[in-house]
Amino acid sequence: SQKIEQNSEALNIQEGKTATLTCNYTNYSPAYLQWYRQDPGRGPVFLLLIRENEKEKRKERLKVTFDTTLKQSLFHITASQPADSATYLCAGGGSYIPTFGRGTSLIVHP
Amino acid sequence: SQTIHQWPATLVQPVGSPLSLECTVEGTSNPNLYWYRQAAGRGLQLLFYSVGIGQISSEVPQNLSASRPQDRQFILSSKKLLLSDSGFYLCAWSSASGREKLFFGSGTQLSVL
Repeated sequence: SQKIEQNSEALNIQEGKTATLTCNYTNYSPAYLQWYRQDPGRGPVFLLLIRENEKEKRKERLKVTFDTTLKQSLFHITASQPADSATYLCAGGGSYIPTFGRGTSLIVHP
Repeated sequence: SQTIHQWPATLVQPVGSPLSLECTVEGTSNPNLYWYRQAAGRGLQLLFYSVGIGQISSEVPQNLSASRPQDRQFILSSKKLLLSDSGFYLCAWSSASGREKLFFGSGTQLSVL
């Protein structure tokens, strides 16, 4: 079955550093990958979408890559801030409803 | 602008009691509507989705049901709750033209005791 895998361990980094989160997909080839931010007790908020024919996409301090060979997307937050602390969800979709990963918790320490 | 409303925010229900969670969307027409469940430490599990009034697709067999009585209203129900129904329930919508961006409600934390 379609699967999106994200590192279940929390990522702890210092303020100002670049955070890099990984999303791997198996058993299918999504036409696009989405990244969402979820704060505790809240619904996910859409951040970025990258299509399979795009290598990289940027939005302010965010950068997402899509490597169809490695079947992987990397999500980068540059100059991270404590306010960036949240859980980040990856989802892979196409002509079907996106499949979500479990998310990776990011903790940015001041 | 479009908004999605989901209520209640928190619900504590005894085992065997009924359930009704409501979700409404404003500012858009004919949206695709979704119900997800997120158990602690787990990913988002798609429960139901709807592409139009009265059209419901179920992804996971369970004792839950969904209905879409109006274009922008989506209801999640159960006749008898189980302990395993506890979790964080999220309603979401996307435009009728695609699913490239989902917009989520604020969620309902359901505890079945």
